[in-house]
Amino acid sequence: GAVVSQHPSWVICKSGTSVKIECRSLDFQATTMFWYRQFPKQSLMLMATSNEGSKATYEQGVEKDKFLINHASLTLSTLTVTSAHPEDSSFYICSAIRTTDNSPLHFGNGTRLTVT
Amino acid sequence: DAKTTQPTSMDCAEGRAANLPCNHSTISGNEYVYWYRQIHSQGPQYIIHGLKNNETNEMASLIITEDRKSSTLILPHATLRDTAVYYCIVRLTYNNNDMRFGAGTRLTVKP
Repeated sequence: GAVVSQHPSWVICKSGTSVKIECRSLDFQATTMFWYRQFPKQSLMLMATSNEGSKATYEQGVEKDKFLINHASLTLSTLTVTSAHPEDSSFYICSAIRTTDNSPLHFGNGTRLTVT
Repeated sequence: DAKTTQPTSMDCAEGRAANLPCNHSTISGNEYVYWYRQIHSQGPQYIIHGLKNNETNEMASLIITEDRKSSTLILPHATLRDTAVYYCIVRLTYNNNDMRFGAGTRLTVKP
């Protein structure tokens, strides 16, 4: 079945530094990728939607200059958390979808970000 | 906001069928119903989806009411490894921006 690989699975960084998270679709071309964040015991919150070759669409309340999303190819999207702060510590999850048909969304295994 | 409502939590005895309900009363004619589950600290796992007919695969069955305003995910023989949070989502196939999750149902399978 379709596989989405997310890297790294966990990262610890110091406050003020930037962290890049990669999301790859391994066996299909993803026209659209989604980025979510999840706090403990809460549901996934959609942060942004990215389409290959165009700018990401951010959800209300998500700072686009802080959470930089690049979707340069049909198999790779990256999320960069810039100038990270402790409150950015969370579980970040990406997902990818093949085309605009009824194919299901496939998720990466998430990245646990801890900002110290 | 998510377009679905689900019970916050449910328990199920191991080996018995787990029936997880989902209300999607505002669903439109071309929106599909998708089910995912999330085991702690992992990404969500796709389970099944359907439009209006009942569906079955190796993991579960999906029963959609005739008016399509609700559906039920059935795990026929629940195991301890089925303990997870189950999410029901409705989605327009051509609107890839509409992938918001509700709170889901925390299913606990007990021995």
